[in-house]
Amino acid sequence: KAGVTQTPRYLIKTRGQQVTLSCSPISGHRSVSWYQQTPGQGLQFLFEYFSETQRNKGNFPGRFSGRQFSNSRSEMNVSTLELGDSALYLCASSEPGLTYEQYFGPGTRLTVT
Amino acid sequence: GENVEQHPSTLSVQEGDSAVIKCTYSDSASNYFPWYKQELGKRPQLIIDIRSNVGEKKDQRIAVTLNKTAKHFSLHITETQPEDSAVYFCAASSGSARQLTFGSGTQLTVLP
Repeated sequence: KAGVTQTPRYLIKTRGQQVTLSCSPISGHRSVSWYQQTPGQGLQFLFEYFSETQRNKGNFPGRFSGRQFSNSRSEMNVSTLELGDSALYLCASSEPGLTYEQYFGPGTRLTVT
Repeated sequence: GENVEQHPSTLSVQEGDSAVIKCTYSDSASNYFPWYKQELGKRPQLIIDIRSNVGEKKDQRIAVTLNKTAKHFSLHITETQPEDSAVYFCAASSGSARQLTFGSGTQLTVLP
């Protein structure tokens, strides 16, 4: 099976702009979780989507949002970008049910200037 | 919420020696504990995991132990090789909720 894919891989945006990142999970995986990775804060959970519904949300401001489509692909959006939003954004997919393993995509490196 | 602490932050070992990384968690409801390896510029890769109904799990040179009473779990790598050099992250979750709380990471360097 193909692994988790994310697009774009790199992105440079200006403060105040908004950005949309995309994640395609492993075929058959219906859960998609998003994480932010920074040198200072490490890996932090943003939110999780399952069957087009947000099931869990981390401690991030409302500028961070997401959605999931019927084919399980997910997008996350960050509005009104701040310099501190510069990070590697990772998504992870997992199968439904009792298998808890999450497999990560390569990430999108977002730089806000 | 859950809090995961990881030690040490850096670890250097000679090739062939063993390496041990320790994590503690705070939420007694957590029941799933994965370990990820992240090489520079790469995605985190799941290398081993353990559930709360198991005390130890082994996969070749890698093992994980869990002490639910003390709320800590450890990663053991034996016969280390230079390719084991990477950042290792522990994590915890109440498994059905795919919300991983990560430790701060351990930079492992295996010296040839």
